[in-house]
Amino acid sequence: SQKIEQNSEALNIQEGKTATLTCNYTNYSPAYLQWYRQDPGRGPVFLLLIRENEKEKRKERLKVTFDTTLKQSLFHITASQPADSATYLCALGSSNTGKLIFGQGTTLQVKP
Amino acid sequence: EAGVTQFPSHSVIEKGQTVTLRCDPISGHDNLYWYRRVMGKEIKFLLHFVKESKQDESGMPNNRFLAERTGGTYSTLKVQPAELEDSGVYFCASRKSGTDEQYFGPGTRLTVT
Repeated sequence: SQKIEQNSEALNIQEGKTATLTCNYTNYSPAYLQWYRQDPGRGPVFLLLIRENEKEKRKERLKVTFDTTLKQSLFHITASQPADSATYLCALGSSNTGKLIFGQGTTLQVKP
Repeated sequence: EAGVTQFPSHSVIEKGQTVTLRCDPISGHDNLYWYRRVMGKEIKFLLHFVKESKQDESGMPNNRFLAERTGGTYSTLKVQPAELEDSGVYFCASRKSGTDEQYFGPGTRLTVT
């Protein structure tokens, strides 16, 4: 069955450093992958989408890579700030339906 | 532009009762999705509407769940009768056809006691 794995343990880093979160998947060939941010008690907030034919995408301090051979996406936050502390979710999607399959998320804690 | 809204934000009901959740998608988004997150698990797909038609309801747990989207605008998800295992956070998301990004609402936290 389709499976998505994200770092199960929380990631703690110092302010100003680069945070790197991992999303690995098996038994699936997604058309695209989306990254979301979720704060406690709130819904997921869309951050970035990267398609299967794209290697890398950037938006401000965010960078996403997508390796369909390794079946892996990396999500980077450069010059991290305490306000970046949240849970980050990766989700795989198919262009046919848009149905998303989510990972469990990785909690990032940026310390001042 | 208003985002996806959901009502209520919280609902506490007893086992056997009925609850109806509502979702208002972003204006102009003809695709509407329901997802659910139960404690300790990942967010899981329930169903997908395109306008008023159910496109995919493969994630609906059983026939106690009924989703509607009359008129192709807002959607309701009714749970009748509710069971303890239905507790969780129910999210709604919408997407504009021709794009892939989905935008989520704040969720409804359902607690069945």
